[in-house]
Amino acid sequence: DGGITQSPKYLFRKEGQNVTLSCEQNLNHDAMYWYRQDPGQGLRLIYYSQIVNDFQKGDIAEGYSVSREKKESFPLTVTSAQKNPTAFYLCASTPLPGQASSNTEAFFGQGTRLTVV
Amino acid sequence: DAKTTQPTSMDCAEGRAANLPCNHSTISGNEYVYWYRQIHSQGPQYIIHGLKNNETNEMASLIITEDRKSSTLILPHATLRDTAVYYCIVRDVSGNTPLVFGKGTRLSVIA
Repeated sequence: DGGITQSPKYLFRKEGQNVTLSCEQNLNHDAMYWYRQDPGQGLRLIYYSQIVNDFQKGDIAEGYSVSREKKESFPLTVTSAQKNPTAFYLCASTPLPGQASSNTEAFFGQGTRLTVV
Repeated sequence: DAKTTQPTSMDCAEGRAANLPCNHSTISGNEYVYWYRQIHSQGPQYIIHGLKNNETNEMASLIITEDRKSSTLILPHATLRDTAVYYCIVRDVSGNTPLVFGKGTRLSVIA
């Protein structure tokens, strides 16, 4: 079945360490997104990419980095520069117009809960 | 910033219709209205979307006002499993803009 997979589900990091969150999709979607969610809050956009080897900053990109070397993969690195990294991270993908049928909705992974210890 | 406003929370009795409102007064002619929901600690799930006509699928109905400045998501027979946060989003039909989420409405379905 097609879908979008995030791993790991739970991640613990020592303060000052970089950590990379994985996001893989087999939906053949061009666009991929990373969001951060804090308790009781909505989703805030970190980075997004509409094509391989290209990506744009979202509203809260500071302290994060991404790469898009393959269409299927969009890993997010939480760097030591991120002052408050403990959060729930969600990855999503969508087709671009003309790429698929009338389905334009976003598909989300199940999230990675990062805790800094 | 999100272009939509929604009530923070709502309650609904099990078996009754849940009507969730959304204001999007600055929506442009080439923007769709999308609805997603998020059950606790899971990724959001797509529900429905529309441009100007009312839409219905197996999950819900979407009613968009004639001026397109507001919409209502209707869950016809709410169940306890419909308890979730519901997000209303507007997005350009070109798909060239990212999905921007607001804080959504927390719907509690009560037995």
